[in-house]
Parts: sequence; C-alpha cells; structure tokens
Amino acid sequence: DSGVTQTPKHLITATGQRVTLRCSPRSGDLSVYWYQQSLDQGLQFLIQYYNGEERAKGNILERFSAQQFPDLHSELNLSSLELGDSALYFCASSVGQRANYGYTFGSGTRLTVV
Amino acid sequence: EDQVTQSPEALRLQEGESSSLNCSYTVSGLRGLFWYRQDPGKGPEFLFTLYSAGEEKEKERLKATLTKKESFLHITAPKPEDSATYLCAVRVGSNFGNEKLTFGTGTRLTIIP
Repeated sequence: DSGVTQTPKHLITATGQRVTLRCSPRSGDLSVYWYQQSLDQGLQFLIQYYNGEERAKGNILERFSAQQFPDLHSELNLSSLELGDSALYFCASSVGQRANYGYTFGSGTRLTVV
Repeated sequence: EDQVTQSPEALRLQEGESSSLNCSYTVSGLRGLFWYRQDPGKGPEFLFTLYSAGEEKEKERLKATLTKKESFLHITAPKPEDSATYLCAVRVGSNFGNEKLTFGTGTRLTIIP
C-alpha cells in the first residue's frame, strides 16, 4: 500500500456520461497530480494541485476538471465521456511543490467507456 | 517540445543475464531524471532520481546512470521478480510550479527462470 488511495478501482460507464474519480494523498503530502495512462500514449500529465491551488496544467481536455479540497483530497471530473477516454487514471502525491524525490502513485482507476 | 524515448520497448532475459535499458531525452532545463517500476495493474513505484551528468544510484540489482543526453538502468543478474515495466521520466521547468514529469513509454522487461 503506497498510502495514496484512489476510488473507485474500476468504473464502466456509457458515452456522454460524467464520472468523478477520487484521490486521497499520502499523509503529509500537499501536492496531488493526475495522470492518464493509455496503451498507446503512456503516462500523460493532466494537472497538479498544491494545497488547494492549481499549480501546473498538462494537456487536460476542457471536458475534464479537477479540484483539491481543504482536507487535501482531490477529485477529477470527466464529462461528456468518449470511447477514447477509456484509460487508467492515476493520482500521485508529493510533500512539496517539487517532486524532488519522485511522486508516490496510487493504484489507479480503470475507466472503461462503452 | 520535451521528449523522452525509451529503448528497447520490450526485453526478455534469462535469469542471471545482465543488461541495460536506455532512456534518451531532449528537454530544456533538466531538473531531474526519474526511474520508476510499474507492475501490471498497479501504479508506478519510484526507484531513483538523478540530477547531474555522471551521477549514479544503486538499489539491489539495479543501477541508474546519467549523461547529458541519456540515462541507463543497468540490471545485474536479474531474477524473475524483476519482471516489470520500467519507466523513465524527466522533470523540467521553473523552480516554482510547472511540476509535471514527462514520461517515456517504458521498457517491458521479462526475466525467464
């Protein structure tokens, strides 16, 4: 157990729907990062939050949004889902704003859009 | 655009057969190169961070090295439990914010007993 908790582990939903993925960072970590991993593109950075504020943004689609709450957990919202959104979504956390010692990843949420 | 290329895509070795995995990168302002291990269905597990050319780090049968253009992950006398996908990532950007890691697509390593 890495200490980063992601729920749910698996999610199957239909095209056009909206889902919310949840992440609880490791105790003491203030930064949360979201990554998408698909078979053909590897791990793609989506967004970073630090202590409730957005810090960095990757190629995150406008249909996707995220936030970090005062208790530091984070949610990734995916809307108007398309078949191509099927992927593993990972959350990672680190103590500070800079991942000097790498991130700690959760075990991911596998999203299947049918 | 920052690029990270890993080779080979897949590698099969006999148990005890040493080899190296390559990670080449093209970035502006490298602020760290990271190696991760990922088992099927799990999140990546942090192995090493390297910051400057010439730096080396070791952990059990793994040793990571860094030059100005590439990094190698050397695996010595591997065991079947070393089978996994090994990911390389680079950190670029300013001191404040912009903390994304750019990952390569990984090398899938299989150790045959």
